[in-house]
Amino acid sequence: EDKVVQSPLSLVVHEGDTVTLNCSYEVTNFRSLLWYKQEKKAPTFLFMLTSSGIEKKSGRLSSILDKKELFSILNITATQTGDSAVYLCAVLLNTNAGKSTFGDGTTLTVKP
Amino acid sequence: DTAVSQTPKYLVTQMGNDKSIKCEQNLGHDTMYWYKQDSKKFLKIMFSYNNKELIINETVPNRFSPKSPDKAHLNLHINSLELGDSAVYFCASSQFGDREAFFGQGTRLTVV
Repeated sequence: EDKVVQSPLSLVVHEGDTVTLNCSYEVTNFRSLLWYKQEKKAPTFLFMLTSSGIEKKSGRLSSILDKKELFSILNITATQTGDSAVYLCAVLLNTNAGKSTFGDGTTLTVKP
Repeated sequence: DTAVSQTPKYLVTQMGNDKSIKCEQNLGHDTMYWYKQDSKKFLKIMFSYNNKELIINETVPNRFSPKSPDKAHLNLHINSLELGDSAVYFCASSQFGDREAFFGQGTRLTVV
């Protein structure tokens, strides 16, 4: 059975801290790994990673994939209260319907 | 201009009733999904449609019946609602099923 495991499940930090969120996976037929941010409502897309070792960056957020060790990390530097959210990792399988298996999410709380 | 819109946003109903949730996307995507998110924020795929054709049905009870009249719409009908059906239901779409998903704002279903 396909499995995506995120850690930690929750994290509380202060503004300005740097955080690293982890996602490991065991799936058949891997295509890509995606990160989403979910605040109050819909998950919104952050990154899609397909190749190992290539860092994707957007402002203070960055992510990298290791296909040999089957994990990805999401880094957030100089955290702000607006970064408080649930961060979801999903693995997209190589099917013709884009099936994604999600992890349980990491709840990040950034305190002022 | 909302990309993926679903209605209603909230639905409170009694056990045993039948209800529908509608979803529309204006992104021109060919793949649409229904996800269920439980109280612990775990997102699980229920159905996937590609160009109006059902591709994924993730062992969802027969009481749940999706319908896709065209590739821009995917509705979800639920018969004989049970307490355990209470959750947030997200509609999503993606292009070719191999890119990131765009999510609707969710429908919070509460069965009493």
